[in-house]
Amino acid sequence: GENVEQHPSTLSVQEGDSAVIKCTYSDSASNYFPWYKQELGKRPQLIIDIRSNVGEKKDQRIAVTLNKTAKHFSLHITETQPEDSAVYFCAAPRGPTGSYIPTFGRGTSLIVHP
Amino acid sequence: DSGVTQTPKHLITATGQRVTLRCSPRSGDLSVYWYQQSLDQGLQFLIQYYNGEERAKGNILERFSAQQFPDLHSELNLSSLELGDSALYFCASSGGGAAYGYTFGSGTRLTVV
Repeated sequence: GENVEQHPSTLSVQEGDSAVIKCTYSDSASNYFPWYKQELGKRPQLIIDIRSNVGEKKDQRIAVTLNKTAKHFSLHITETQPEDSAVYFCAAPRGPTGSYIPTFGRGTSLIVHP
Repeated sequence: DSGVTQTPKHLITATGQRVTLRCSPRSGDLSVYWYQQSLDQGLQFLIQYYNGEERAKGNILERFSAQQFPDLHSELNLSSLELGDSALYFCASSGGGAAYGYTFGSGTRLTVV
């Protein structure tokens, strides 16, 4: 199976600052790394993902970087805004199909202070 | 609306009872995943179905069971409920397996009293 560790568990920043959340995984066969955002009382929503054949992907203020050698990937949010406040989860499923257990990190509670 | 429909949204029941949670995946998605999210806990994977067949199992208790029907909707059955089963239960669907990202439903909040 896969083991995913996510840090930090809580991150407090001022509006306009950058935020970085990091996840490490154990299974070198993992090839897809999504990030989900869950606002209070709502469902998790996929915000960005990266596949193992690229090292970085950007979408406006968010980016994800992947270091396959070190087996870690990170979510970067620039120019944070209060609406970025939420819990962010990383995940590291293994393989495109077939039987496996998709594993989520324990989540990072991001608080952006106005 | 994510396209994944979960019912009911809220459920309050007594210890020892049995409940059924229902999920309709996004149109065209063959995979359904069930997750449990307790207070201050992350997303705990319970079970996956793919086109009607059980594909993977996580930390699902023996008191819990699930199935996926020919129309691809899925049901999660929770029996002999305990206070500790109170949680948010999410269903997610995917078109190509978890390596293509999940779409989550809005969840069912189960409260056992």
